[in-house]
Amino acid sequence: AQKVTQAQTEISVVEKEDVTLDCVYETRDTTYYLFWYKQPPSGELVFLIRRNSFDEQNEISGRYSWNFQKSTSSFNFTITASQVVDSAVYFCALSEEGNFNKFYFGSGTKLNVKP
Amino acid sequence: KAGVTQTPRYLIKTRGQQVTLSCSPISGHRSVSWYQQTPGQGLQFLFEYFSETQRNKGNFPGRFSGRQFSNSRSEMNVSTLELGDSALYLCASSTSGGASGELFFGEGSRLTVL
Repeated sequence: AQKVTQAQTEISVVEKEDVTLDCVYETRDTTYYLFWYKQPPSGELVFLIRRNSFDEQNEISGRYSWNFQKSTSSFNFTITASQVVDSAVYFCALSEEGNFNKFYFGSGTKLNVKP
Repeated sequence: KAGVTQTPRYLIKTRGQQVTLSCSPISGHRSVSWYQQTPGQGLQFLFEYFSETQRNKGNFPGRFSGRQFSNSRSEMNVSTLELGDSALYLCASSTSGGASGELFFGEGSRLTVL
């Protein structure tokens, strides 16, 4: 069965702190894709990153970095030097080859960055 | 480049009524998928359309239906509304609709059922 778990419901940090959002997934497929999306108060989900199951290289994009570990079925997201504009709900998602945009989303982590 | 447009943004209905939501994808995108977001169940996949054909469907009752037109615009319909149908309905478009594709989401249609 496919499942994405984001155990952290809500996290509060002070600006400039580093924060890591956890994501654990379950799938039986060998070919799958992992995503992170950001949902600001306006509602739309904004794409942040995609990773396929064969690429375990960590990625860094500015203040954002992602750690993909197949051995622990985790795809964690770190924001370095957080800013107030990072406040949002962050979703981790899983899709499987041939499943036509049927994404399995985690329950989301609400990040509050205080000035 | 215009993003995904959903209409209406907000609507209020009463139990037993039906509702139709519209989604205009990004120009050139042929795949449209729909998701329901509620505080209790989170984001759940409803269905996906590509070139007017439904290719995938989530675990929702038959009261939830959709269609896609030749210009890739999509509509979803919910009949015999129930209180539990109150949710944010998100539409997403992508180029091919494969599992690896990035989804571009609209701002959603927030439905309240009284």
